[in-house]
Amino acid sequence: QKEVEQNSGPLSVPEGAIASLNCTYSDRVSQSFFWYRQYSGKSPELIMSIYSNGDKEDGRFTAQLNKASQYVSLLIRDSQPSDSATYLCAVNMVGYGGSQGNLIFGKGTKLSVKP
Amino acid sequence: DAGVIQSPRHEVTEMGQEVTLRCKPISGHDYLFWYRQTMMRGLELLIYFNNNVPIDDSGMPEDRFSAKMPNASFSTLKIQPSEPRDSAVYFCASSSDYGTGNYGYTFGSGTRLTVV
Repeated sequence: QKEVEQNSGPLSVPEGAIASLNCTYSDRVSQSFFWYRQYSGKSPELIMSIYSNGDKEDGRFTAQLNKASQYVSLLIRDSQPSDSATYLCAVNMVGYGGSQGNLIFGKGTKLSVKP
Repeated sequence: DAGVIQSPRHEVTEMGQEVTLRCKPISGHDYLFWYRQTMMRGLELLIYFNNNVPIDDSGMPEDRFSAKMPNASFSTLKIQPSEPRDSAVYFCASSSDYGTGNYGYTFGSGTRLTVV
């Protein structure tokens, strides 16, 4: 059974701090990793993707991937109250012929940024 | 592009009734996915299509659930008969295998289904 694990939280950080969200996955052959943000009552929104070991930065967001440890994380610098949401980690299962398969989602970590 | 369009946004129905959820994917996307989200189980994949062909329906809970994709611009998810435990938010998402390197999905706004 392929799984994606996240701490459910809630994770509470003060405004301006760094929020660190973590995710582990069970499938060693997974190649594509994503972070989605979901505001309450809304649909998931893609915010970061990462495919290679190391760090990938996009504005205040940094995704980190360690395939050997089967671990992916998301750092949010200078956290803002508007970042308060549930963050979903998703891992792609490779489909037939190496094409895109489907995403397995973690249950998400709820982040609360306090002013 | 208008994004992934789902209808209806909300559906309240009585147990035993048939429910049909609809989805229009983003034009040019050749993958379409149906997910269900609950507090207890999170986002669960029900079924996905590639080029209108069902590829994996192992997540469909039981025979009461069925999905079709008659053409590249339309898909339905049907529950017959509906039960209270089917109450959830149902999301449709689409994606392209040959995009700009970003293989993430674009989700629709979801259908909140309540079966009473």
